[in-house]
Amino acid sequence: EPEVTQTPSHQVTQMGQEVILRCVPISNHLYFYWYRQILGQKVEFLVSFYNNEISEKSEIFDDQFSVERPDGSNFTLKIRSTKLEDSAMYFCASSEAHGAPASLHFGNGTRLTVT
Amino acid sequence: EDQVTQSPEALRLQEGESSSLNCSYTVSGLRGLFWYRQDPGKGPEFLFTLYSAGEEKEKERLKATLTKKESFLHITAPKPEDSATYLCAVRGTSGSRLTFGEGTQLTVNP
Repeated sequence: EPEVTQTPSHQVTQMGQEVILRCVPISNHLYFYWYRQILGQKVEFLVSFYNNEISEKSEIFDDQFSVERPDGSNFTLKIRSTKLEDSAMYFCASSEAHGAPASLHFGNGTRLTVT
Repeated sequence: EDQVTQSPEALRLQEGESSSLNCSYTVSGLRGLFWYRQDPGKGPEFLFTLYSAGEEKEKERLKATLTKKESFLHITAPKPEDSATYLCAVRGTSGSRLTFGEGTQLTVNP
């Protein structure tokens, strides 16, 4: 069964450094998402992306975050200047379509630790 | 603002002991209620999508139902391998995002 692949599985960085989290969505999917989950808390929406542009973003997704689809297979999340509170699991997801009956398929996440 | 509340927070069952998990929601125009399973250190794994009140979906020992205010995930004769956190999420008409609940951590003892 096709799956969403994320790399790296674990990233440790120092406060103020830039990180790029990478994702390969399912190949025939058109909609891409990033979510995060702080330890012990809910899964939270960050951003959705379609047709090479952001279609929706949350209040969390401020100017330090950016997303890009640099080629036909990768989807990246960049955090420009990491803060301690950015430590979380970051999940990439993709779907065939935007509305019903679309379901999101998630990767296994990148655990980001900011020290 | 869409909201999802799941109960109980944690549930311990003996193998074969059936039970139900609850997901209460408020949403501006439901465009889908989703159930996911999450194992430790893994991403959410899609289980079901429900769209309208009265709808039911089944998969192995799991059955999801939907009313206008809540959804239930019924687990019949669970096995230890059903142990996981079960997440409920909704998508409303306001956008593309899923709003998740806190989840129910299910433990099934042999």
